[in-house]
Amino acid sequence: EDKVVQSPLSLVVHEGDTVTLNCSYEVTNFRSLLWYKQEKKAPTFLFMLTSSGIEKKSGRLSSILDKKELFSILNITATQTGDSAIYLCAAGPNFGNEKLTFGTGTRLTIIP
Amino acid sequence: DAGVTQSPTHLIKTRGQHVTLRCSPISGHKSVSWYQQVLGQGPQFIFQYYEKEERGRGNFPDRFSARQFPNYSSELNVNALLLGDSALYLCASSSWGTDTQYFGPGTRLTVL
Repeated sequence: EDKVVQSPLSLVVHEGDTVTLNCSYEVTNFRSLLWYKQEKKAPTFLFMLTSSGIEKKSGRLSSILDKKELFSILNITATQTGDSAIYLCAAGPNFGNEKLTFGTGTRLTIIP
Repeated sequence: DAGVTQSPTHLIKTRGQHVTLRCSPISGHKSVSWYQQVLGQGPQFIFQYYEKEERGRGNFPDRFSARQFPNYSSELNVNALLLGDSALYLCASSSWGTDTQYFGPGTRLTVL
C-alpha cells in the first residue's frame, strides 16, 4: 500500500526562525513529490520535484528530493506569521496517472 | 483566469440521504480528480476522470460514484450517507500528463 509519512506533525516556532519539514514516501511507480500549503481549505501548490538532488527555490521556501533514500524536505527561512498553515506532502506515480498519495501534514504555527 | 470552482461551499445532510457535489476545472484542463479530507488527515484519493472516462479509483465503497461531462466539469455522488462521510471534498484539475494538480476550495459536507 502506498504511504507518505510527514514529520513533525506539529511545529511551533518564533517569527524569524528557520524550519525544516520532512516527508518520506513509499509509492509504487513513483514519479513526483509535491508540496502544498493549506491555510483554510484549498491546498495551494508550492513545488513539484522529480529529480533527485536538485533544489527548487521560491523566495524563502526551498525543497529537495532524495530518490535513493525516498524522502524530501521543505525548508522555510526567516519565517513570518503568514507562513502559519498545514504543509502537505504528496507523492505521485507514473506519467499520466495522477493519483496522489498525501501525508497527514505538518501544522506549522509561527508566533510573532 | 478562474481557478477550480466547486459548489456548494457547505452542505448538511442526514444519514441515508444522497448528495451531489460539483466541480468546474481550470479552463483548458481536461483531468479532474476528487479527494476526501477528513479533519486532521491529508486528502485521500477517490476518483480521477479524463476525457469523460474513469482513469483511477481509490479505496472507497460503491456508494461513491462520479462522472465527467463534455465540458470537463465533474460531479461526485455519494449515496446512503454515513456519519463517517463528513469531510471536506476537494476537486483538483490538471492537464493530462502532468502531476501538478490545482485544487478548488472544497465542499464541506456534514452528515448528521
